[in-house]
Amino acid sequence: EPEVTQTPSHQVTQMGQEVILRCVPISNHLYFYWYRQILGQKVEFLVSFYNNEISEKSEIFDDQFSVERPDGSNFTLKIRSTKLEDSAMYFCASSESGMETQYFGPGTRLLVL
Amino acid sequence: AQSVTQPDIHITVSEGASLELRCNYSYGATPYLFWYVQSPGQGLQLLLKYFSGDTLVQGIKGFEAEFKRSQSSFNLRKPSVHWSDAAEYFCAVGAAGRRALTFGSGTRLQVQP
Repeated sequence: EPEVTQTPSHQVTQMGQEVILRCVPISNHLYFYWYRQILGQKVEFLVSFYNNEISEKSEIFDDQFSVERPDGSNFTLKIRSTKLEDSAMYFCASSESGMETQYFGPGTRLLVL
Repeated sequence: AQSVTQPDIHITVSEGASLELRCNYSYGATPYLFWYVQSPGQGLQLLLKYFSGDTLVQGIKGFEAEFKRSQSSFNLRKPSVHWSDAAEYFCAVGAAGRRALTFGSGTRLQVQP
């Protein structure tokens, strides 16, 4: 069964450093998403991406964040200058269409020191 | 804006007992409703979804959920719990025209032998 994959599974970085989280969505899916889950808190929506542009974003997704589909398979989330409060599990998801089920990857646990 | 409430933070049941996890949502129109399960260190796996039609939906692993518009609820049930069902369960709601899913805070299920 096709699945969303994410790399790395864990990343530790220093505050102020840039990180790039990578995702490979399910191959025939057209919509891509990033969510995050701070430890002990709810899963929160960050951004959705379709046709090479952001289709929706939350208040969390400020100028420190960016997304990109650099090629036909990868979908990335970049945090330009990480803060301590960016420590969280980041989930990538994809769906066939905008209102279909979102399938989630296993997540990348980011720790900012 | 839509919201989701999962009133039970933590539930413990005995193996073989029945289970009901509560989910209440707030949304002005007919929502899209989902239950996801997260095992420790894992991503979010879709259990079942409701978009329209029959209000009783069947999912994987023997789970079912019933959409009750009058109660704004989408409770998850299983007639006989297995030890492997121990995990965190998240209810989520989507809205027409929006990409973002809104998640509840989750219910952690513990299964006693």
